[in-house]
Amino acid sequence: AQSVAQPEDQVNVAEGNPLTVKCTYSVSGNPYLFWYVQYPNRGLQFLLKYITGDNLVKGSYGFEAEFNKSQTSFHLKKPSALVSDSALYFCAVRGTGANNLFFGTGTRLTVIP
Amino acid sequence: EADIYQTPRYLVIGTGKKITLECSQTMGHDKMYWYQQDPGMELHLIHYSYGVNSTEKGDLSSESTVSRIRTEHFPLTLESARPSHTSQYLCASSPRQDSYEQYFGPGTRLTVT
Repeated sequence: AQSVAQPEDQVNVAEGNPLTVKCTYSVSGNPYLFWYVQYPNRGLQFLLKYITGDNLVKGSYGFEAEFNKSQTSFHLKKPSALVSDSALYFCAVRGTGANNLFFGTGTRLTVIP
Repeated sequence: EADIYQTPRYLVIGTGKKITLECSQTMGHDKMYWYQQDPGMELHLIHYSYGVNSTEKGDLSSESTVSRIRTEHFPLTLESARPSHTSQYLCASSPRQDSYEQYFGPGTRLTVT
């Protein structure tokens, strides 16, 4: 069975501070992992993905994520948060050969000026 | 910006009406998806298609139906709208390969009165 957990519904961080949005997963086989961001009244925008190779993946808008196989985690990070980063973030996973993406429940990030 | 379009963006309609939500993509993607999302909440897959004349039900039971007569077009139809159908509907597409991310449309926010 495949599943994704985002343990925090809400993350608050001060502008300029580093941010982390957590994600853990469970899949059969090797995982394909994705992060998406959703701004109000918009669809989801792709941020980054891990398929294979380097465990640290760099994506759009200065975001990066670290794949940790032993902890089955794929946390999203950014060294210095911006107020404009405030949005809803979704982690998603697909196991090798699986039909569809499984999305987490989302984490609302608020960056405080 | 991904070339996937949804119309209408917003729709307010009375109970019992038949509605069709349109989704089109110009990327030649084989796979297309419909998700239902309550505001600020998780995504639920309601339908997907792997190509022309292929449609499958997703994880969340839905009274809607879909068709895939052309590669670029994946409309969703509600024969008789009810207030419980009030939600945001997101369409997405992706290439055939599992390693590719899904591209999302801007969504249709449906309100049934």
